[in-house]
Amino acid sequence: DTAVSQTPKYLVTQMGNDKSIKCEQNLGHDTMYWYKQDSKKFLKIMFSYNNKELIINETVPNRFSPKSPDKAHLNLHINSLELGDSAVYFCASSQDQYGNEQFFGPGTRLTVL
Amino acid sequence: GNSVTQMEGPVTLSEEAFLTINCTYTATGYPSLFWYVQYPGEGLQLLLKATKADDKGSNKGFEATYRKETTSFHLEKGSVQVSDSAVYFCALIDTGRRALTFGSGTRLQVQP
Repeated sequence: DTAVSQTPKYLVTQMGNDKSIKCEQNLGHDTMYWYKQDSKKFLKIMFSYNNKELIINETVPNRFSPKSPDKAHLNLHINSLELGDSAVYFCASSQDQYGNEQFFGPGTRLTVL
Repeated sequence: GNSVTQMEGPVTLSEEAFLTINCTYTATGYPSLFWYVQYPGEGLQLLLKATKADDKGSNKGFEATYRKETTSFHLEKGSVQVSDSAVYFCALIDTGRRALTFGSGTRLQVQP
């Protein structure tokens, strides 16, 4: 059974388009995260939700909007995609908001042409 | 703010060699420290962790000790295998921030 799953695994799109990435966890965790990994493998937190409430919102352009319909799902919608948005986006979850053990999804590789 | 510094890679070793990947950190308070591993084409997996000074985390032959006096959490393994080839990330979390701060990752290549 997949603990943290993401769809799609690969996403290739044109500049200016709007796209969404979905994440689901079946671990019963309260907290979910989105991280961005750039071409040099550097990982940075973008957002975190605890029980559907936004608790971390890093300096991310307004074009990125997370949505958590329930605590098992955290989706990421990106408007007006730019070349610099090309990266691998990882979803993660943890038992609580203190995040001491985070479980990561397989990642979504986004390529903006 | 918090930061994690790892040694530059790639690190290339022969099978059965001894591995050390250095990691130092800057943080306010007393963070928990982690090593994550990313195999090619996969997400990150927690390798080991330590939550307080002098704790030793260990898993799959890998070890790291939380050294508060040197603000370090170096990863070691006595005898690496080809299957250990991956990117290794040192990370920390402090209760104030509630998200992982990662180092830049170190790629390990083990040759048969």
